Amino acid sequence: DTGVSQDPRHKITKRGQNVTFRCDPISEHNRLYWYRQTLGQGPEFLTYFQNEAQLEKSRLLSDRFSAERPKGSFSTLEIQRTEQGDSAMYLCASSPSADRISGYTFGSGTRLTVV
Amino acid sequence: QQPVQSPQAVILREGEDAVINCSSSKALYSVHWYRQKHGEAPVFLMILLKGGEQKGHDKISASFNEKKQQSSLYLTASQLSYSGTYFCGTETQGGSEKLVFGKGTKLTVNP
Repeated sequence: DTGVSQDPRHKITKRGQNVTFRCDPISEHNRLYWYRQTLGQGPEFLTYFQNEAQLEKSRLLSDRFSAERPKGSFSTLEIQRTEQGDSAMYLCASSPSADRISGYTFGSGTRLTVV
Repeated sequence: QQPVQSPQAVILREGEDAVINCSSSKALYSVHWYRQKHGEAPVFLMILLKGGEQKGHDKISASFNEKKQQSSLYLTASQLSYSGTYFCGTETQGGSEKLVFGKGTKLTVNP
């Protein structure tokens, strides 16, 4: 297994456009998380899935953000009508189970720049 | 709910020791520690569960004081490769099963 893959690595978009990111977790991992990180800050929780079920979405997240994990495999994160404040590194992570004793494996992230 | 890390930054010479602290105002189920190098993804170091256990990982170890809701990460005889930003991530008791990360501690190890 090659770890958690994210695509694209970088995305530059104009304000108001929609963007979609993809995350491929480690195949045997049930849990998948999306975080956002800005310079000098720790990762900020966005949402997470147990298999295909979205279990929680951050209250800080506006309705412009949506995530899916069809069939419990890869996941997509879509941001509609992007704003400059959405510029950040978007990190995906996965963990093997719901036993709450395993660490997260993070992907390399997608860096979004909204101009 | 975000854990508080201290110090914000540490500069060491190779071979010196450092301690990074992580405190929460909420009762914790677990504490994770990660290291992130510039431009890279965070890498998992270790997890501590409630119960006051201590773990070790080469010259990096950590403890979890359940009474104080505080964890400390100990780096001994630091190496150049230890440089990076260290984050603690906490999961609260009775809360949702996700990590909330602190703002990080930047560690610089110089020759």
